[in-house]
Formats: sequence, C-alpha cells, structure tokens
Amino acid sequence: QSALTQPASVSGSPGQSITISCTGTSSDVGNYNLVSWYQQHPVKAPKLMIYEGNKRPSGVSNRFSGSKSGNTASLTISGLQADDEADYYCCSYAGRSTLVFGGGTKLTVL
Amino acid sequence: QVQLQESGPGLVKPSETLSLTCTVSGDSISSDYWSWIRQPPGKGLEWIGNIYNSGSTNYNPSLKSRVTISIDTSKNQFSLKLSSVTAADTAVYYCASGRRIAAIDYWGQGTLVTVSS
Repeated sequence: QSALTQPASVSGSPGQSITISCTGTSSDVGNYNLVSWYQQHPVKAPKLMIYEGNKRPSGVSNRFSGSKSGNTASLTISGLQADDEADYYCCSYAGRSTLVFGGGTKLTVL
Repeated sequence: QVQLQESGPGLVKPSETLSLTCTVSGDSISSDYWSWIRQPPGKGLEWIGNIYNSGSTNYNPSLKSRVTISIDTSKNQFSLKLSSVTAADTAVYYCASGRRIAAIDYWGQGTLVTVSS
C-alpha cells in the first residue's frame, strides 16, 4: 500500500480555477469510486471537502468539485479565494477496509 | 455533530507503547467508523486504522503488527495503542469518525506525541 501521488504545490490567482491531481493504482483509486479530499489550514485539523469522488458534505462550497479518470482523481477549485490557501490531501479506499492518503498539495493563492 | 477529543501522554520513550484515548460527545449516532490518523511534523497524513461500531478493526498494513484499536461504547471512548515506538512515530495523532468508511467527517483537534528518551 503506497501513498497516492499528488503535486507538491499548485498556485493560482483570486478568481481563477485550479486542479489538484491524485494518482493511485488499479488497487485503490482506479478500482473504487471512493476518493475523498481534505483541506487543512496551518495547525488545524483536516476538513472533509469531497467524498465518494464528487459529493460535497453539507456546508462545503460548490466551488469545490471532484472527478476521476482511470487511476487519477482530481479536485477542482473554481473562483479561487484567499481562504482557499491551505494544504489539500486526497484519500482513497484501498480494499480490505483500508484507506491510503496522498502526500498532500500546498495551494498558494497569489 | 460529533465532537472528538484526544488525550494521553505527550512524551513516550523509545521501545515503549504509545496509548491514546478519544472521547466522543455530541451526536455519536452520526458515526459508524472510528479512526486514528497521524501526521509527522511538516509531513502528510497517514491512516493508522479504524474500528467499526461492531468492534471489527482494520489497520494500515505497514503498522498492523504494532497497532491495536479498541472501543468502549459505555464510556463513549475509543483507544489507540502503538507498541515498540521509535522517533519515526513522533507525530500529531488525530482521532476521527464518519458514517462511511471512506469519508472522515469529524476530526479531533489532534495531539502531539513525541518519542524521545
């Protein structure tokens, strides 16, 4: 069970859209529609933003959306805002009731 | 809503056992899976394992030989034990929960555990 692969950093200007990728294998991301995404501000606990690939929990802005193609899942944030600056982690079901996280991506809002 | 609070020693000696407890309050019926996740300083999240309401457990294969997660529903608590710790186990440990196995809705604030002599 290896960590999912995310870019170390992405950046965008306010109002723009960005996409963060999360690449796994046919044993995790590619085999299940069970990818979740978490936002973590400094010294804060992570917050669930997307689950089961493209579903948003109550209270999460519709500027956040998820998708998947093959072994790669993606998180898109549209209309970037200053408060979106944070670390983002993907997480996938990996079979046998286990989960695996990605290495995390630091989003900078320019 | 579910509120979670971790408690336990902040300093553990190498080779000893790390023990943490998570106390649950609020609407605990909103969760079925109770998880432990850790984050080494400056690094990413690592899933340690979880326990279902029925008591069945699931562990990260890389930690499985050293981890035990248990639940005490009468006390509204669940616990983590990690044996034979080394400096590599130094991390912020989060307890967390959710209704779905692959969606972690609620998180504790996290507690830093340092492994050092």
